[in-house]
Amino acid sequence: GESVGLHLPTLSVQEGDNSIINCAYSNSASDYFIWYKQESGKGPQFIIDIRSNMDKRQGQRVTVLLNKTVKHLSLQIAATQPGDSAVYFCAGAGAGSYQLTFGKGTKLSVIP
Amino acid sequence: DVKVTQSSRYLVKRTGEKVFLECVQDMDHENMFWYRQDPGLGLRLIYFSYDVKMKEKGDIPEGYSVSREKKERFSLILESASTNQTSMYLCASSSPPGTATEKLLFGSGTQLSVL
Repeated sequence: GESVGLHLPTLSVQEGDNSIINCAYSNSASDYFIWYKQESGKGPQFIIDIRSNMDKRQGQRVTVLLNKTVKHLSLQIAATQPGDSAVYFCAGAGAGSYQLTFGKGTKLSVIP
Repeated sequence: DVKVTQSSRYLVKRTGEKVFLECVQDMDHENMFWYRQDPGLGLRLIYFSYDVKMKEKGDIPEGYSVSREKKERFSLILESASTNQTSMYLCASSSPPGTATEKLLFGSGTQLSVL
């Protein structure tokens, strides 16, 4: 089955620097990946998603990179701001699957 | 603004009570989900539904049931609440896989405490 995990439970970044949050997955048939941001006391908020036929996708200040060879994806946040402090989850699903499998989360702390 | 709305932000119940958690989405999504989130365990799927009156068990359905009588509403029921069901409950909805709106969108969550 799908197993999705994160490399580090916590990450501290200086304000203005770029952040990179990593995620590994085990199922080579995984077709769809998604990143969420969860602030304290709130529900997860969609950030960006990517399909397995792509290796990069950009949003506003965020970029997701997918390396299918090593089954790894990362979330890059440019010019990290205090408002980016949150827990970030990756999640993945197999082709045609309704179910996402979530990683445990990485807590990003931004140092002013 | 499209959204998933959970009826209660905080809920305190007694052991043995029957508890209803309500969720409504206004995006005409086919799929709806209930997760619970616990420290160190991440999000775990309780039940999901891909159509009205349809339901499927997730990873941890024991002690829970669900109801989907209308497309926009998905209810989670704790038949007899227990202390180990104290948790953050998150409702989510999405369109079918491969569609333009397949991404899972979450509500704000209900923090349930069972005493």
